[in-house]
Amino acid sequence: ETGVTQTPRHLVMGMTNKKSLKCEQHLGHNAMYWYKQSAKKPLELMFVYSLEERVENNSVPSRFSPECPNSSHLFLHLHTLQPEDSALYLCASSQDLRGTLAKNIQYFGAGTRLSVL
Amino acid sequence: AQSVTQPDIHITVSEGASLELRCNYSYGATPYLFWYVQSPGQGLQLLLKYFSGDTLVQGIKGFEAEFKRSQSSFNLRKPSVHWSDAAEYFCAVGAGSGYALNFGKGTSLLVTP
Repeated sequence: ETGVTQTPRHLVMGMTNKKSLKCEQHLGHNAMYWYKQSAKKPLELMFVYSLEERVENNSVPSRFSPECPNSSHLFLHLHTLQPEDSALYLCASSQDLRGTLAKNIQYFGAGTRLSVL
Repeated sequence: AQSVTQPDIHITVSEGASLELRCNYSYGATPYLFWYVQSPGQGLQLLLKYFSGDTLVQGIKGFEAEFKRSQSSFNLRKPSVHWSDAAEYFCAVGAGSGYALNFGKGTSLLVTP
């Protein structure tokens, strides 16, 4: 148990479907992140939220839509995805985005393995 | 911008043997360095971190890493590998007061009996 829980663990969807990934952190952190992990590529930071406010959007296609209703929950809404979007999507949280370095340490969930058919 | 290179894609070691995983970074100032481990089907777990001070840092599960500024390296070591250490290992670098981390592509460790 890492303190960051992601559901579902596996998801298969067609290109016309709409689905959502959920992330919940039980660590009392203020910042949350979405990463994409594709085979043989470095982790790609997608979105960053601090106190429910989005602070970074790394040129992610609009078919990915994040939502952060409170500092404990983060969603990634998916629609009209492409096969190349198949990957492991990782959520992470940190105590804060700024301040001491210790507060920036990121803790990861187990990920959602997404397959787009 | 900072970047990370993990030169070895795959490494195989025998159980009980020593291990060293390489990590080289590129950054103009003092980097902040991390090693994470990812077991099959799991997320990333923080093994250890370097912010400043003693260049030899100890982590969990018997791992240690040494920061060498002259070589721009932060290699991970373990004196005796266990079968449960088989996993993917990621080196990451952060910079300044920012939160962004740049990850390497990872090194896959296989442990043979």
